[in-house]
Amino acid sequence: EAQVTQNPRYLITVTGKKLTVTCSQNMNHEYMSWYRQDPGLGLRQIYYSMNVEVTDKGDVPEGYKVSRKEKRNFPLILESPSPNQTSLYFCASSPRTGQPQHFGDGTRLSIL
Amino acid sequence: GESVGLHLPTLSVQEGDNSIINCAYSNSASDYFIWYKQESGKGPQFIIDIRSNMDKRQGQRVTVLLNKTVKHLSLQIAATQPGDSAVYFCAETFSGGYQKVTFGTGTKLQVIP
Repeated sequence: EAQVTQNPRYLITVTGKKLTVTCSQNMNHEYMSWYRQDPGLGLRQIYYSMNVEVTDKGDVPEGYKVSRKEKRNFPLILESPSPNQTSLYFCASSPRTGQPQHFGDGTRLSIL
Repeated sequence: GESVGLHLPTLSVQEGDNSIINCAYSNSASDYFIWYKQESGKGPQFIIDIRSNMDKRQGQRVTVLLNKTVKHLSLQIAATQPGDSAVYFCAETFSGGYQKVTFGTGTKLQVIP
């Protein structure tokens, strides 16, 4: 089954404790992206990747890092999480740019 | 489900009626537009897309209209069903140069049985 898998689905942690949210897709897609979703603000793009070893900032990259060492994986790293990063996060992928994205089921992060 | 419906504009329609959801996009350079549907507790799902060289595209029960002059996009759902109840987002991007994707803030569709 074609899918985008995120882990964990839920996480409660404390300020400053590094965390990684993993994202994996099994569709051989070139384009991958991370979004955060907050009430009233829709989805905002954090980082995206055109292909392996090619990443770029979206609209809200501050406080986040990403890497794309393999085509299927695109982890989101919060080196020093802060409460304003409490949000619902989605990973998505598409075959290339200019094509519809497939989304994961989301990761709910709460940072205390 | 997730509380993504807070502060969203809401459209309430009677089952069987047609629904029209509107979206204003921001970048005149955008050339690819997508509508997504998000049900409670799930990620957005692709509904229909349109490129800037078209002004209308039809799918099964859905039609997207694009007006580039006023940077406006609309999604029409024919014969709305209870299963259409969800939050709907438009998204814009430019498939050539920059590859950022910008989403609208969403509209909640409530179907009244």
